This record gives sequence, C-alpha cells and structure tokens, in this order.
Amino acid sequence: SYELTQPPSVSVSPGQTARITCSADALPKQYAYWYQQKPGQAPVLVIYKDSERPSGIPERFSGSSSGTTVTLTISGVQAEDEADYYCQSADSSGTYKVFGGGTKLTVL
Amino acid sequence: QVQLVQSGAEVKKPGASVKVSCKASGYTFTSYDINWVRQATGQGLEWMGWMNPNSGNTGYAQKFQGRVTMTRNTSISTAYMELSSLRSEDTAVYYCAREAGTLGIGSWGQGTLVTVSS
Repeated sequence: SYELTQPPSVSVSPGQTARITCSADALPKQYAYWYQQKPGQAPVLVIYKDSERPSGIPERFSGSSSGTTVTLTISGVQAEDEADYYCQSADSSGTYKVFGGGTKLTVL
Repeated sequence: QVQLVQSGAEVKKPGASVKVSCKASGYTFTSYDINWVRQATGQGLEWMGWMNPNSGNTGYAQKFQGRVTMTRNTSISTAYMELSSLRSEDTAVYYCAREAGTLGIGSWGQGTLVTVSS
C-alpha cells in the first residue's frame, strides 16, 4: 500500500523555524496537503496544493515541494503551534488518499 | 458557515455493525465530496473513503473494501458511514470531512467515538 513518510517528532524553541518533511514516490504527481491537529480537536487544514495557505492561517505557515519530498515550514514558531501535523496526498492514480504517520511538533 | 454535525458515541460488540451520520449545513450538500477519516486513540489519521453526495459514487480504501458502505440522504443533507464486522481494532474516533477538490479537506465534523468491546 502507498505510504507517506514523516519524522515522528520535531522540536524547536519559540521564534525558531520548524521544518516537517513528508516523502513518497508519487508526490511529484499529486498535490500534498498539511493538517494541524491539537489534542481533542479535529484536524485543521493549514496548507493545500503543496504551498497554498487557506484564509485565516497565519503567514508563518508555508509549504514547498521538491521531487519526492514536500515540506511544511513554520517560521517564528509560537507556543500555540505545538500540535501534531499530518501530510496527506494520493497514490499515483489519484484513486486513494493517504495520510502520513504524523509529526509531533514540540515547542521547547 | 459550513458545519458538519455527527451522531453521538457508540458502543458495539465484536461482529456488529455501526452507522455514523454526518449532517451538513451552511452549503449546498451535493456540491462537495464527503470523506471519512478515523483515528484510534494516540494514533494517526487513517483515510477510509469518499462519497460524492450528488451521484452517490464512492471510493473506499483497500483496507476497508467489503466492510464499509458510504451513503447519503440528500433530502436532509446527511451522509452516512456504515462499518460492519467490527473488531476491537476498529475502536476509534470517526470523522466526516468536506473536500473542496484540489482545495483540500477544509471542514471536519466533531468526530464520533466508536468503541468495540465485548
């Protein structure tokens, strides 16, 4: 089955830049999406179509793509950004969606 | 504003089925696909499948094919997800979510906890 690979955890100090990667073979062909999830809450879309930011999402959230890896970058991390982050995409045919395993962002 | 309101928590015995509802409001129900995603306690998000409320067309993750059925009632703007032959590993929070094509899954229900226990 198709899988997206994320690091289990990333830690940064407030004000620093956090980068969370997501890798898979079909990422050059399929858009990637990023979701933020805080404990006890439903996920929130923070990046769509690799690098677009929905309205209401702070500018410090950005996305990029290079080959088989997409990256979520959070510039000037704030304590409120501490959460689990999931990438999501589809297999090469676009038939099946898939989520990455999630990355826990810890703000030190 | 877009709202997806799901049915309440369920407790089921192994081998039983569960049907979760998702009532949409604030938009035209038939214009956006509904996806179902589940999350076991302390685990990641798992995509289960999608449904086009206009046509009724569905697509299911291979893992759930044969066990999941997604339907809708357009007259009451409600989507349903039924999972059969439940086992303990199906204990999870189940979310419905609205997908706006390439704009992604932008709206989520509050989640429904399904507990499978003998």
